[in-house]
Amino acid sequence: DAKTTQPTSMDCAEGRAANLPCNHSTISGNEYVYWYRQIHSQGPQYIIHGLKNNETNEMASLIITEDRKSSTLILPHATLRDTAVYYCIVRVAFNAGNNRKLIWGLGTSLAVNP
Amino acid sequence: NAGVTQTPKFQVLKTGQSMTLQCAQDMNHEYMSWYRQDPGMGLRLIHYSVGAGITDQGEVPNGYNVSRSTTEDFPLRLLSAAPSQTSVYFCASSYARGTGELFFGEGSRLTVL
Repeated sequence: DAKTTQPTSMDCAEGRAANLPCNHSTISGNEYVYWYRQIHSQGPQYIIHGLKNNETNEMASLIITEDRKSSTLILPHATLRDTAVYYCIVRVAFNAGNNRKLIWGLGTSLAVNP
Repeated sequence: NAGVTQTPKFQVLKTGQSMTLQCAQDMNHEYMSWYRQDPGMGLRLIHYSVGAGITDQGEVPNGYNVSRSTTEDFPLRLLSAAPSQTSVYFCASSYARGTGELFFGEGSRLTVL
């Protein structure tokens, strides 16, 4: 079962910031939060990840609350090409050794409108 | 670099037929994996490999076989296709097994009649 909860869908105006929330209240102390997106019919694309500090890269910013129970992905200036399904994912230990897997949910369908 | 390449993009099978989905990456990544994506469900891990000659089962391995004879290739075999295997399949790779930064292929859409 997914360890994250996201809104099913959101809308955003082109040029405005898109703020995508995610709840992960059962996350453990050593589990990272990852964000991916999937543009229609394409493979998922990695965006950003974090453990407890806020992170920023050329695509987005990730804000994680101090208690780590929720996070927000920020696309600072959304464009039409950012229309996609956005997945908030927790990476958990799996099998023995240094194996990890991503627990995928159903994501948020973001529509960026002109 | 081409990244992760999957073939075929589309395939229709009859129940009981066998086939292989091909996956190749040119990034010299250690870790490769196969996922399936079904409506109303998140991506689910089928099999993964942490290096040439090493494979292991994911969450939903039944009905699928894999092998990893080279670093570059990680084929997924369906020995006797069933309608429940109708899905979109994604191959992914990463430079190490401990990272969650995966590079995905474009997907292979399989229909089993």
